[in-house]
Amino acid sequence: GAGVSQTPSNKVTEKGKYVELRCDPISGHTALYWYRQSLGQGPEFLIYFQGTGAADDSGLPNDRFFAVRPEGSVSTLKIQRTERGDSAVYLCASSLQRDRTDTQYFGPGTRLTVL
Amino acid sequence: KQEVTQIPAALSVPEGENLVLNCSFTDSAIYNLQWFRQDPGKGLTSLLLIQSSQREQTSGRLNASLDKSSGRSTLYIAASQPGDSATYLCAVRTGANNLFFGTGTRLTVIP
Repeated sequence: GAGVSQTPSNKVTEKGKYVELRCDPISGHTALYWYRQSLGQGPEFLIYFQGTGAADDSGLPNDRFFAVRPEGSVSTLKIQRTERGDSAVYLCASSLQRDRTDTQYFGPGTRLTVL
Repeated sequence: KQEVTQIPAALSVPEGENLVLNCSFTDSAIYNLQWFRQDPGKGLTSLLLIQSSQREQTSGRLNASLDKSSGRSTLYIAASQPGDSATYLCAVRTGANNLFFGTGTRLTVIP
């Protein structure tokens, strides 16, 4: 079956611009996660959705970052007034979330470059 | 805050060798530990998941062990192949629902 998909695969933008990154989870997965991976580092947690609501947004670095999941499926990560330090690969994952033993399945990521 | 460390950061071995990758974590109150593989420019592929009540998991040439009390895990790869070349990440799941990742070990298997 289809895995987690993310679009675009690459995004180049200029400092100060607004960007949206999309994640399409595996069908039926109620939990969705966003992570950010900087060069040479492991992924770092940003936000977790259970259904339509953000259950934990403690990883969002500041108020320029926002994410939505209005129908409990597709999610969009929104970054306002982008800065060069936002350049990274943004990864999305989903899981069935029956309990905390579930495996998270990752998408291929969106590579964001802020010039 | 949970911290995850992976040693070594990089490793090169000739084809056919067995090898061990190490992962340590500071908070032993985990639900599970997961090993991932990441190829350049790609997402993460889950290799093995060990629940906190388990000691090890095996899949093909891969064997992962977990010593929760000492905060350690190892990933053993038998008879390495050039196709095993990738970055290997370990991640732990704690009381929160997110994963805490290490910085990875970049493995190169030389033909």
